[in-house]
Amino acid sequence: GAVVSQHPSWVICKSGTSVKIECRSLDFQATTMFWYRQFPKQSLMLMATSNEGSKATYEQGVEKDKFLINHASLTLSTLTVTSAHPEDSSFYICSASLVAGSFSYEQYFGPGTRLTVT
Amino acid sequence: GQNIDQPTEMTATEGAIVQINCTYQTSGFNGLFWYQQHAGEAPTFLSYNVLDGLEEKGRFSSFLSRSKGYSYLLLKELQMKDSASYLCAGMDSNYQLIWGAGTKLIIKP
Repeated sequence: GAVVSQHPSWVICKSGTSVKIECRSLDFQATTMFWYRQFPKQSLMLMATSNEGSKATYEQGVEKDKFLINHASLTLSTLTVTSAHPEDSSFYICSASLVAGSFSYEQYFGPGTRLTVT
Repeated sequence: GQNIDQPTEMTATEGAIVQINCTYQTSGFNGLFWYQQHAGEAPTFLSYNVLDGLEEKGRFSSFLSRSKGYSYLLLKELQMKDSASYLCAGMDSNYQLIWGAGTKLIIKP
């Protein structure tokens, strides 16, 4: 149980285009989803936390107009990288937790999306 | 500020035991997680400690001392497939994970 999928697993796009990454919880309802970015040989960097039906909470330094997050349902969150540039090339990982707020449940990670902007 | 410290890299021999240490400072505390991450893959959950003591799960064990702000992950009977990065993460009072930079574990035959 607690499987999270991401699509696509990898994508190459041209500079200036937008890319959408989907994150789905397959067998549970995820009230809260998290989006991370990881550069080579570095740890995970939390970009934003999204709760279903409300606006995402972005971490300091993350541009909300560039990284659009939509958490439309309890099983789907999307991250759109708008007007991508080569410096946006990274490994993007989503995770989902079973319950928001009061309980410290583990986060279940998707397999990640490797984005390369040329 | 919030901070997680763990060694950058460790080397161990196949069949041996290795202990990866982690010290943490978080605003409030709701548990300490260990994740394994193979190169190019997403992290996978290994363990969660919220009370002091040792939690054993097969070849892997995790220890927590809240008074010392300290945890370790113990890996026994090391196998080549255990070569990976091990991420320590503390959960703060807002239930947000604060991630360490990860410890790259290299297993030699």
